[in-house]
Amino acid sequence: DSGVTQTPKHLITATGQRVTLRCSPRSGDLSVYWYQQSLDQGLQFLIQYYNGEERAKGNILERFSAQQFPDLHSELNLSSLELGDSALYFCASSGWEGFNSPLHFGNGTRLTVT
Amino acid sequence: AQTVTQSQPEMSVQEAETVTLSCTYDTSENNYYLFWYKQPPSRQMILVIRQEAYKQQNATENRFSVNFQKAAKSFSLKISDSQLGDTAMYFCAFGETSGSRLTFGEGTQLTVNP
Repeated sequence: DSGVTQTPKHLITATGQRVTLRCSPRSGDLSVYWYQQSLDQGLQFLIQYYNGEERAKGNILERFSAQQFPDLHSELNLSSLELGDSALYFCASSGWEGFNSPLHFGNGTRLTVT
Repeated sequence: AQTVTQSQPEMSVQEAETVTLSCTYDTSENNYYLFWYKQPPSRQMILVIRQEAYKQQNATENRFSVNFQKAAKSFSLKISDSQLGDTAMYFCAFGETSGSRLTFGEGTQLTVNP
């Protein structure tokens, strides 16, 4: 168990809808990262937050947004969903920024858009 | 931009034998981190081993070791005494020292046969 909790485990929704994925980092970790794993794109970095502030953006679509709350949990919001958004979404956390402390991944949320 | 290449989509090995997974990367950075992550059928991303580029000594974690060739930009993973539980997708990943994102390779599906 990595200590990173992601909910829900599975999500099935229709095109055009909006969903929210939730992540609770390991106790004491300040950084939260979101990654998308799809068959055609592989593992892609989406966004990082550190202690409530956005730190880096990767290949995140404008239809997607995220935030990190004062209690350090994070949410990834996906809107106007398309079939191509079907993927496994991972949250990871680390003690601080950079890779001096390793990333610990949650079990992911499997999103299926029909 | 950094790229990570894993040229072996699939590999198999007999239980108790040794197998080596290949990874090459491209970067203009001098200081960085390299990682191997394991993704079993449970889909969780598990850190196997980490190497800091400024350290010349190859990292070792029990049955797992790496051969880090900085000049050649090569980072292979050796698994000794392979076990059935080693069956998984293995991802090589690159992270800048002060960066936020991990860049992943395409993955190598390893099957350990009894």
